Amino acid sequence: TQLLEQSPQFLSIQEGENLTVYCNSSSVFSSLQWYRQEPGEGPVLLVTVVTGGEVKKLKRLTFQFGDARKDSSLHITAAQPGDTGLYLCAGVGGAQKLVFGQGTRLTINP
Amino acid sequence: ETGVTQSPTHLIKTRGQQVTLRCSSQSGHNTVSWYQQALGQGPQFIFQYYREEENGRGNFPPRFSGLQFPNYSSELNVNALELDDSALYLCASSRGTSGGAYNEQFFGPGTRLTVL
Repeated sequence: TQLLEQSPQFLSIQEGENLTVYCNSSSVFSSLQWYRQEPGEGPVLLVTVVTGGEVKKLKRLTFQFGDARKDSSLHITAAQPGDTGLYLCAGVGGAQKLVFGQGTRLTINP
Repeated sequence: ETGVTQSPTHLIKTRGQQVTLRCSSQSGHNTVSWYQQALGQGPQFIFQYYREEENGRGNFPPRFSGLQFPNYSSELNVNALELDDSALYLCASSRGTSGGAYNEQFFGPGTRLTVL
């Protein structure tokens, strides 16, 4: 069974601070995705990382895929209140299904 | 281009009842996947339909069943509802291929099911 563990589960920081969210597994995934989910909405894809060691940047967000393709991290620089939300990592598993982590609920306080 | 839509938005049922949730896929998409998201958890894969056939199933009992129609819309049916079935049910559509390569899934807003 493929599992993804996210940490931390909850994070509350002040505007302007930096943060990192981790996503770890004992399984290898062909690719890993990061989503953001707002209340009352479905997850929205932020990025897909495919190659071990790959780093992608989306404005103040930096995503990294581990060399062994078992883990990933999301780093946010100078967090803003608009970054508040539930962040989910998901690995592309067999049978075209996505295996999600339990999510990190991020709160940025003004 | 119309996105993924789901109905109803909210639903309240009692234990033992049956429920049907509906999903309209995005234009041009032939694959629908269903996920269950319990409160405070990430989504869990229930099953996927590709061109009207089940194409993979997660660790859910047989009382969770589904259908996909010729227009690629889909239904999720849950029989003999239990309290633990209370969750947000998400569907996601994608452009599947017979080769099985993964294509991005686009999620609907979900149906919030409460079982009392």
